[in-house]
Amino acid sequence: QVQLVQSGPEVKKPGASVKVSCKASGYTFTNYYLHWVRQAPGQGLEWMGIINPSSGSTTYAQKFQGRVSMTRDTSTTTVYMELSSLRSEDTAVYYCVRTRQTYDSSAYSAWGQGTLVTVSS
Amino acid sequence: QSALTQPASVSGSPGQSITISCSGISSDVSGSKSVSWYQHHPGKAPKLMISDVNDRPSGVSNRFSGSKSGNTAYLTISGLQAEDEADYYCSSYMSSSTVLFGGGTKLTVL
Repeated sequence: QVQLVQSGPEVKKPGASVKVSCKASGYTFTNYYLHWVRQAPGQGLEWMGIINPSSGSTTYAQKFQGRVSMTRDTSTTTVYMELSSLRSEDTAVYYCVRTRQTYDSSAYSAWGQGTLVTVSS
Repeated sequence: QSALTQPASVSGSPGQSITISCSGISSDVSGSKSVSWYQHHPGKAPKLMISDVNDRPSGVSNRFSGSKSGNTAYLTISGLQAEDEADYYCSSYMSSSTVLFGGGTKLTVL
């Protein structure tokens, strides 16, 4: 079955960077797009960006341009999301999600378990 | 870009039907064939309930249905059940290969 397994919780100081991993299994890694979505405490879902695991091409939400980087390692079927210059407002649960179909869309049929990133001095 | 607009809350009694709206600018919701809806219970990962405006993934109850009119998409839940109480989010995939989420709607089953 499709599985997305993310790395564990992180506690970071303001100004630092965090790198969250997401290992995919149960399907052909390069056939489906992977996105990153976050949810801050008491807030709604927020889209961060997308990576095409086949080509490595990325598109980021304007809000995170210059601060976020998404990469992939096809040998380990893992994608990474790195967010830099962290501030308290970046405290959130970060989800790796996979599209339902092989074409890109906002329909995510598989979700990672979420990674809590806490930014605190 | 601003989030898509959803009502903050809706409520209904067991057995009733409710509809949640999701409105946005024409370049996203109305122009997009890719509108999805998610159910989110606190502490769990969101669950895809509707994709491509009105396509229900296997395993999702047929009590859930989606539609769109102009620049607004709708999620209708019929025969409300206690377990439907959750937060619901719409999302839209845009031509710029970006995604917008709605602000979320809290459904209370009375």
